[in-house]
Amino acid sequence: QKEVEQNSGPLSVPEGAIASLNCTYSDRGSQSFFWYRQYSGKSPELIMSIYSNGDKEDGRFTAQLNKASQYVSLLIRDSQPSDSATYLCAVNMGGGSYIPTFGRGTSLIVHP
Amino acid sequence: ETGVTQTPRHLVMGMTNKKSLKCEQHLGHNAMYWYKQSAKKPLELMFVYSLEERVENNSVPSRFSPECPNSSHLFLHLHTLQPEDSALYLCASSQLGPATDTQYFGPGTRLTVL
Repeated sequence: QKEVEQNSGPLSVPEGAIASLNCTYSDRGSQSFFWYRQYSGKSPELIMSIYSNGDKEDGRFTAQLNKASQYVSLLIRDSQPSDSATYLCAVNMGGGSYIPTFGRGTSLIVHP
Repeated sequence: ETGVTQTPRHLVMGMTNKKSLKCEQHLGHNAMYWYKQSAKKPLELMFVYSLEERVENNSVPSRFSPECPNSSHLFLHLHTLQPEDSALYLCASSQLGPATDTQYFGPGTRLTVL
């Protein structure tokens, strides 16, 4: 069974700190990786997609992909209270399918 | 604004009612999706349409009936629902293909079944 695993949290960090969110996946053939942010009662909002090994940076956000170890992470620098949300990891398992599998999400709390 | 709209945003219905949820995407994508998200549960994929053909149906009860008349519009017809069907229903669209398969979500319809 193809799975995407995330620690449900909550992960609590102080304002200004680096928040590190992790995601592991089971299918070695996975090709596309996504991080979404979801505020309570709202729909998921894409933060970043990543397709190649290594780091990808966008503002305060950095996605890191390691296909050999089958994990993808999201770093949030200078965390703000407005970053408090649930972060969903999604992985496209490949094999001709472009339907991603979502993890259960990690709840992040940034406290002042 | 993600380019995916959903109506209505909120819906309260009785178990004997029939209603429909509507989704429209303005992104030129060729795939559309319905998801269900219950409180404190992960996203559940319900249906996928690719080029207006249903390609995925994840054992969803027949009281949910999807319709995709064209690549920009997707409907979810509801009838004789149960209280446990109360949830946030999300529509998404994507362009199928390598490195273009990002899903963009609509704002969702908050459904309450009495």
